[in-house]
Amino acid sequence: DGGITQSPKYLFRKEGQNVTLSCEQNLNHDAMYWYRQDPGQGLRLIYYSQIVNDFQKGDIAEGYSVSREKKESFPLTVTSAQKNPTAFYLCASRPDPGPGNTIYFGEGSWLTVV
Amino acid sequence: RKEVEQDPGPFNVPEGATVAFNCTYSNSASQSFFWYRQDCRKEPKLLMSVYSSGNEDGRFTAQLNRASQYISLLIRDSKLSDSATYLCVVNDSSYKLIFGSGTRLLVRP
Repeated sequence: DGGITQSPKYLFRKEGQNVTLSCEQNLNHDAMYWYRQDPGQGLRLIYYSQIVNDFQKGDIAEGYSVSREKKESFPLTVTSAQKNPTAFYLCASRPDPGPGNTIYFGEGSWLTVV
Repeated sequence: RKEVEQDPGPFNVPEGATVAFNCTYSNSASQSFFWYRQDCRKEPKLLMSVYSSGNEDGRFTAQLNRASQYISLLIRDSKLSDSATYLCVVNDSSYKLIFGSGTRLLVRP
C-alpha cells in the first residue's frame, strides 16, 4: 500500500537525550514536512523539504534537525536543546509544493519526556 | 491577528442537525483552501478542497468568499461519526500551509 510510515508510534525520552523520529513515504512525493501538535492546539511547522538534499526551517525549528538524503526519507531528530519536546509529531508529504496540492499525513509519533 | 482563525467550539449538536463552521484568513493572496478532519489522537485527513464556486460532497458543503476572506463548511444531517475536530487549512504560498487550531464538533444521540 502507498503511504507515509512514521516510527516509532510512541517514544519516551529522558531529559538530555537526542531521539530520532523516522518518516518514510512511497508516494514519490517531492515535498515533505514535519509538524508538531500540542494538546488542543493547531499544527506548527518544524521543517520542510521541497527536494532531496534541501530543507528549510519552519516556524519552530529550534532544537530540531532533519536530513533529506533520499526522496523517500525525512527523519527528524529532537535534540536535547528542545526544552519542551513532549508533543504529537506528524510527518506529511505532497507531490510538490505547488498550491492546490493536498498534503497527506503519517499516523504520527507521540513523544514524551520522562 | 492569527493567519488562520477558527472558532474552537465545541459545537454540541443532536444527530440530524445542520452545523456550520467558519474560518477566516488574513492573507488576501492565499491560493488554495482545504478542510481536514482530525479524530482524537489521530492524524488529520483531507475532508475536501474548497473552490471559489463552492463544492459539495454528500452531506458536506464548502464555500469560499475571497472578498471577505473566509471559508465555511456546512454539515447536514449530522451523524455520530461526524464527531471530530475540523481543521481549516490555507495555502499561503507555494510551500507553506497554514493550519487553523480547529473546531471541535460533538454530535450527541
